[in-house]
Amino acid sequence: QLQESGPGLVKPSQTLSLTCAVSSGSISSSGYSWSWIRQPPGKGLEWIAYIYYSGDTYYNPSLKSRITISIDTSNNQFSLKLSSVTAADTAVYFCARRNVYNAFDIWGQGTMVTVSS
Amino acid sequence: DIQMTQSPSSLSASVGDRVTITCRASQSISRSLHWYQQKPGKAPKHLIYAASSLQSGVPSRFSGSGSGTEFTLTISSLEPEDVAVYYCQQYGTSPFTFGPGTRVDIK
Repeated sequence: QLQESGPGLVKPSQTLSLTCAVSSGSISSSGYSWSWIRQPPGKGLEWIAYIYYSGDTYYNPSLKSRITISIDTSNNQFSLKLSSVTAADTAVYFCARRNVYNAFDIWGQGTMVTVSS
Repeated sequence: DIQMTQSPSSLSASVGDRVTITCRASQSISRSLHWYQQKPGKAPKHLIYAASSLQSGVPSRFSGSGSGTEFTLTISSLEPEDVAVYYCQQYGTSPFTFGPGTRVDIK
């Protein structure tokens, strides 16, 4: 129901850009927001940001200066841009739906992004 | 940020065993805690919300309890398909944070 897409390899200092297509249901459904979460290889999960269909956004302060999250309701998708990437940004990036209980209840399969020259 | 810890970091148990995982928060989060299960190469799956409420479709052998700073996830009778890493996640205070995970294997 959620599917991430984007380059698997990004050069250091460049901008990582990912899109998540929502294939079941409307991204404009009330009560939900749309999130990005990442997982470095062999490590735990880190919440990045989420966005409502209204465009209201909430960012993890640790990444806020480098993140832009946007939503395209006409195409039922949302996107993440992460600027000035370093090797520390190498991770599997998941998109997920956040529900009224603040749970990430539906996830994409994840996409591996490697930062390397 | 609220720091989440989990213990043990890994465990090995026999099929049919009762398994308990503990999650602790660095400050009180009331009951604002979720549990997820992640199998190798897969996205996490949401199991429990608000510390103790079972997500629809999750087997009843999974249960959660706790409040404040200490929480537990219990598998009442371990099944082979429960092999996974289990994560807790707090939503009491932004930014949402996850525990480091507990790996569960079959002995």
